[in-house]
Amino acid sequence: AQTVTQSQPEMSVQEAETVTLSCTYDTSESDYYLFWYKQPPSRQMILVIRQEAYKQQNATENRFSVNFQKAAKSFSLKISDSQLGDAAMYFCAYRSRETSGSRLTFGEGTQLTVNP
Amino acid sequence: GAGVSQTPSNKVTEKGKYVELRCDPISGHTALYWYRQSLGQGPEFLIYFQGTGAADDSGLPNDRFFAVRPEGSVSTLKIQRTERGDSAVYLCASSLIRGVRNTEAFFGQGTRLTVV
Repeated sequence: AQTVTQSQPEMSVQEAETVTLSCTYDTSESDYYLFWYKQPPSRQMILVIRQEAYKQQNATENRFSVNFQKAAKSFSLKISDSQLGDAAMYFCAYRSRETSGSRLTFGEGTQLTVNP
Repeated sequence: GAGVSQTPSNKVTEKGKYVELRCDPISGHTALYWYRQSLGQGPEFLIYFQGTGAADDSGLPNDRFFAVRPEGSVSTLKIQRTERGDSAVYLCASSLIRGVRNTEAFFGQGTRLTVV
């Protein structure tokens, strides 16, 4: 079974600064997806960024980028130019690509605070 | 609909009672997932539907939990003889599966269930 670990329960960053959230995972599969989701107090999970394991290039979405280290099974999220609206709970998640319809496996989450 | 809709938003019930939680997925999405999120934790998989059938129900914690999706659209999660430990946010997500390709999962805002 796959596991996802987020070792930082809480992180804080000053507005306009950069912060990195850590995530490690364990799997015996070679083909999979990794995701970062944001969950504000409204509870709705919002996809931030997605990485396909077979792609060596790190995914980027505007101010959000990842550092994907497949051999180390590490998948960190970097948020540049942090904004007050970035404050939320962030979850790292894994999904197998080897079977269609497979579930998401989530980490425990990192609560991000953005200070003005 | 425009997004995944879950009703009710909040539900308070007494220990031992029966509850039903409803999920209305995005129109045309063939896959539907239920997750349970306990306080301070990441979501945990409960069940996955492909069309009308439960393709994977391995996450259901015990036989008090049951879910249906009779017409391949709306799904209902049913919990019998509720216990205080069932208190959590129940999240629903849907996605479109074409062959082995699975698009992004879109989440609803969840139902917060409190068993008193």
